[in-house]
Amino acid sequence: AQSVAQPEDQVNVAEGNPLTVKCTYSVSGNPYLFWYVQYPNRGLQFLLKYITGDNLVKGSYGFEAEFNKSQTSFHLKKPSALVSDSALYFCAVRAPQGGKLIFGQGTELSVKP
Amino acid sequence: GAVVSQHPSWVICKSGTSVKIECRSLDFQATTMFWYRQFPKQSLMLMATSNEGSKATYEQGVEKDKFLINHASLTLSTLTVTSAHPEDSSFYICSARDRGLGYEQYFGPGTRLTVT
Repeated sequence: AQSVAQPEDQVNVAEGNPLTVKCTYSVSGNPYLFWYVQYPNRGLQFLLKYITGDNLVKGSYGFEAEFNKSQTSFHLKKPSALVSDSALYFCAVRAPQGGKLIFGQGTELSVKP
Repeated sequence: GAVVSQHPSWVICKSGTSVKIECRSLDFQATTMFWYRQFPKQSLMLMATSNEGSKATYEQGVEKDKFLINHASLTLSTLTVTSAHPEDSSFYICSARDRGLGYEQYFGPGTRLTVT
């Protein structure tokens, strides 16, 4: 069965510092991996995805994620955090043949000035 | 990019009444739509998956007679919460997917339902 884990409920970062939001997955075969961001009372916004190819994926708003097959991880990163990055972040996995998206528990990112 | 809209964005209804939420794909044909429920600061819980022209497939524990889903066209799916109770109050999010878009899912902005 597929699963995704986000081990941190909350991540606190000072503005200007690098940020990392962790995600590990369990799936048979080659996974499709996604990151989404959600602002209060809003739907999910797509940030980036990994399908195949380069392990470092660049996405929207300066975010990037690194796919690590040996560690089954897909951590989200940004070199310099902004206060406006404060939001709820979800990692998700899906089987290549188009099955359901499985979401992690979510990580609340708080960036303080 | 592909856009999904939901209407209404928020709704308040009295206990015992029914409320309908619409989900539309604005610039693509959504062969599959998904309905999620989300409690505050929690993850999305998939309620059901619907394919255009077919009956929805409900996840375990979701009452299909209470949460009626219709996907009558390639651009519209509706979720009707029947005989609503306060415990049905939640944030409902729809998502749409089309084969032509590489199976990516696009999410609507969500609907906040409050049952009084």
